[in-house]
Amino acid sequence: RKEVEQDPGPFNVPEGATVAFNCTYSNSASQSFFWYRQDCRKEPKLLMSVYSSGNEDGRFTAQLNRASQYISLLIRDSKLSDSATYLCVVNQAGTALIFGKGTTLSVSS
Amino acid sequence: DAGVIQSPRHEVTEMGQEVTLRCKPISGHDYLFWYRQTMMRGLELLIYFNNNVPIDDSGMPEDRFSAKMPNASFSTLKIQPSEPRDSAVYFCASSGSSNQPQHFGDGTRLSIL
Repeated sequence: RKEVEQDPGPFNVPEGATVAFNCTYSNSASQSFFWYRQDCRKEPKLLMSVYSSGNEDGRFTAQLNRASQYISLLIRDSKLSDSATYLCVVNQAGTALIFGKGTTLSVSS
Repeated sequence: DAGVIQSPRHEVTEMGQEVTLRCKPISGHDYLFWYRQTMMRGLELLIYFNNNVPIDDSGMPEDRFSAKMPNASFSTLKIQPSEPRDSAVYFCASSGSSNQPQHFGDGTRLSIL
């Protein structure tokens, strides 16, 4: 089983839609969780950290379910500019971050 | 503030040549990471350093790859001899600790002919 698994997509949605991505991780000792965004031919950039209680940043909401070992990202009111690949990232104490392969989102007008 | 700086941005070279990629981490960051990204395999961690010391190089594909960090502000990733299958985007990233978010450089797009 891969350490971090994501549905690669692509997710094709119209502007204004709500879309959700899930990510599962295999190591129950994982402690830190993040979502990164990567635009075509660019470097990955931190979108948001994921906290145990869940957290929101504008149209983006991240949730963590430790019991089921999954992380989710919800994007409301999708914009054309949200089109990108979203990378789920997990970390155990004292080790490097582990990146999922990413979920591709395409928002169309 | 300057981010992670990588050079060159693009490199095209012939098989068998030596390739050296360079990275300057964000000042004050104690961790430096080298990644390789391809369509097939996604983002793969090659090696990472803590306070200039290599901690985990299990991702380095083979002996043709080597990485050094002679000081806190500079690291190199070297491929010798290079092969066409080494063609990829190589990213360098740095962070203040192992479980903090990493900040990536723009990457080096490497093509081995």
